[in-house]
Amino acid sequence: DAKTTQPTSMDCAEGRAANLPCNHSTISGNEYVYWYRQIHSQGPQYIIHGLKNNETNEMASLIITEDRKSSTLILPHATLRDTAVYYCIVANTGNQFYFGTGTSLTVIP
Amino acid sequence: GAGVSQSPSNKVTEKGKDVELRCDPISGHTALYWYRQSLGQGLEFLIYFQGNSAPDKSGLPSDRFSAERTGGSVSTLTIQRTQQEDSAVYLCASSLMGRAGARGSPLHFGNGTRLTVT
Repeated sequence: DAKTTQPTSMDCAEGRAANLPCNHSTISGNEYVYWYRQIHSQGPQYIIHGLKNNETNEMASLIITEDRKSSTLILPHATLRDTAVYYCIVANTGNQFYFGTGTSLTVIP
Repeated sequence: GAGVSQSPSNKVTEKGKDVELRCDPISGHTALYWYRQSLGQGLEFLIYFQGNSAPDKSGLPSDRFSAERTGGSVSTLTIQRTQQEDSAVYLCASSLMGRAGARGSPLHFGNGTRLTVT
């Protein structure tokens, strides 16, 4: 069952920051928040994950609220190649990686 | 190899035939997972391996589906007597530690095998 809620779709102008929200109000203390994206005809690509603290890597930043009930994935300077479906997942074990339907992000030139 | 490798990338088979799908995980990854994705849908969990054993087979849709893993590395997913509803992309993923997620070990996916049953 889905433990996360994401908007179905979003648009973002090229070069601007894309902020993708995710609600996970039933997250438990030992569950991590993971973000993946899937570009057509490819397998899901790992982006970032976190437990409590905000995280940043070369692809994105992850902001997790203090109560851990929601998070935001930030792509700082969106490019056309960032157009994809973005999945927010909360999981403790790999077989609980429920991908749901995600957010379809379209980066507009 | 740099990532998870799956073969074949595409497979077309006739209804009733058996098929084998192969997954080569990232070297050193102890956990391996199979998912499938039907057109326009999310990923459906099938089975999880820790080493060569499969502690969770709960996602296999019927007894026509089986999987094995040998040497803690390569895995094969076998579908017997294929049906048209088996048509989907079959995705394999691996992670560094067992129970990926328990310590924050993300899954890394291959690009899948697109199975078409005619």
